[in-house]
Amino acid sequence: NAGVTQTPKFQVLKTGQSMTLQCAQDMNHNSMYWYRQDPGMGLRLIYYSASEGTTDKGEVPNGYNVSRLNKREFSLRLESAAPSQTSVYFCASRARLDRGRPFYGYTFGSGTRLTVV
Amino acid sequence: AQSVSQHNHHVILSEAASLELGCNYSYGGTVNLFWYVQYPGQHLQLLLKYFSGDPLVKGIKGFEAEFIKSKFSFNLRKPSVQWSDTAEYFCAVKRSGYSTLTFGKGTMLLVSP
Repeated sequence: NAGVTQTPKFQVLKTGQSMTLQCAQDMNHNSMYWYRQDPGMGLRLIYYSASEGTTDKGEVPNGYNVSRLNKREFSLRLESAAPSQTSVYFCASRARLDRGRPFYGYTFGSGTRLTVV
Repeated sequence: AQSVSQHNHHVILSEAASLELGCNYSYGGTVNLFWYVQYPGQHLQLLLKYFSGDPLVKGIKGFEAEFIKSKFSFNLRKPSVQWSDTAEYFCAVKRSGYSTLTFGKGTMLLVSP
């Protein structure tokens, strides 16, 4: 099925451990995004990649790194996990809906629920 | 300052009641506006979007929203809610010239049967 696939769906880490969250989309979208969702905070942008080979910081980038491996894949890495990084992480990609106008649609993955203890 | 504001954090309604969820944004210029819904344990789903044209947009499941440019608002409405509308609702804004979406903090809607 076409869409945004995130792995893993659930993860428990100990403080200080590292891990990489994977995201892949098969819709040939140029732009991809990582958000974190916390209760009462909505979704906040961590990093994004406007196109293959480029990445930019979002609102809350500290403690994270990203890699845009190719057009399909955009991974999020926690080098040394902290309890404050306990959250639900969503990956998204963006498609242009109208060739002549700047109208875009965003597709979200099903999320990774991460707990850092 | 919050760039996208959702005024109600929690809303409790009885079935068949009417719903209006507020969303205001603080950007000037051209914007694209979105409402997403997140059912318990699920990912975000698009309810509706506004790009241009008719400021009253209709979405899925009987939802609609009205863009009022002078008020920087994009309020979500439904005439008669159902128990199955229990979910969290997010307003999001994309500014012209930017590729990212900025979300409000969300409104949790609980519909009692």
